[in-house]
Amino acid sequence: LAKTTQPISMDSYEGQEVNITCSHNNIATNDYITWYQQFPSQGPRFIIQGYKTKVTNEVASLFIPADRKSSTLSLPRVSLSDTAVYYCLVDRGSTLGRLYFGRGTQLTVWP
Amino acid sequence: GAGVSQSPSNKVTEKGKDVELRCDPISGHTALYWYRQRLGQGLEFLIYFQGNSAPDKSGLPSDRFSAERTGESVSTLTIQRTQQEDSAVYLCASSPRAGLGLGFSYEQYFGPGTRLTVT
Repeated sequence: LAKTTQPISMDSYEGQEVNITCSHNNIATNDYITWYQQFPSQGPRFIIQGYKTKVTNEVASLFIPADRKSSTLSLPRVSLSDTAVYYCLVDRGSTLGRLYFGRGTQLTVWP
Repeated sequence: GAGVSQSPSNKVTEKGKDVELRCDPISGHTALYWYRQRLGQGLEFLIYFQGNSAPDKSGLPSDRFSAERTGESVSTLTIQRTQQEDSAVYLCASSPRAGLGLGFSYEQYFGPGTRLTVT
């Protein structure tokens, strides 16, 4: 299994940029890096996915260095509503979508 | 459009009783997954269905757990002789299909979960 390591918790203030880094040293060639967000009492929600370099969507950016052993989720100008748990996953296509979630990073945004 | 729905939203049961949890996936999604999330923990994969293929049951924790899916529609997760350690939120997810597309991996759409409490 491709294990990921990410901080247990992070704090930020409204309007700041937040970067959450995840390490996945044993990532394989066919693996994708996927981030999900989970609010209390809800199921996780897909945020962004990437394979290498940089991916950006309307919600976040994902930076992946050339060796792909880590990735950084960047949330620009966070608001209180971004308070959630963020999961970094190595989505192994060979396991046909069986996602392995760790404990994630609890991001708390303060006013 | 409608997302993944699950019922009941909450279930309290006595130890030793059987429970049945239901998941209605997004229409047209061929892949369906069940996960378990204990308090303060990440998600634990239980089982997944892909079309008419045999389900992947590799994550089921014991033979008290079973799941069925009718075609590409509703799925039920059954827990027999419930134990207190079964208390958790049970999440269902669906995706257009399992695995890789062209240059991406299919995202999963999660339901709100069923909170199971075994007393």
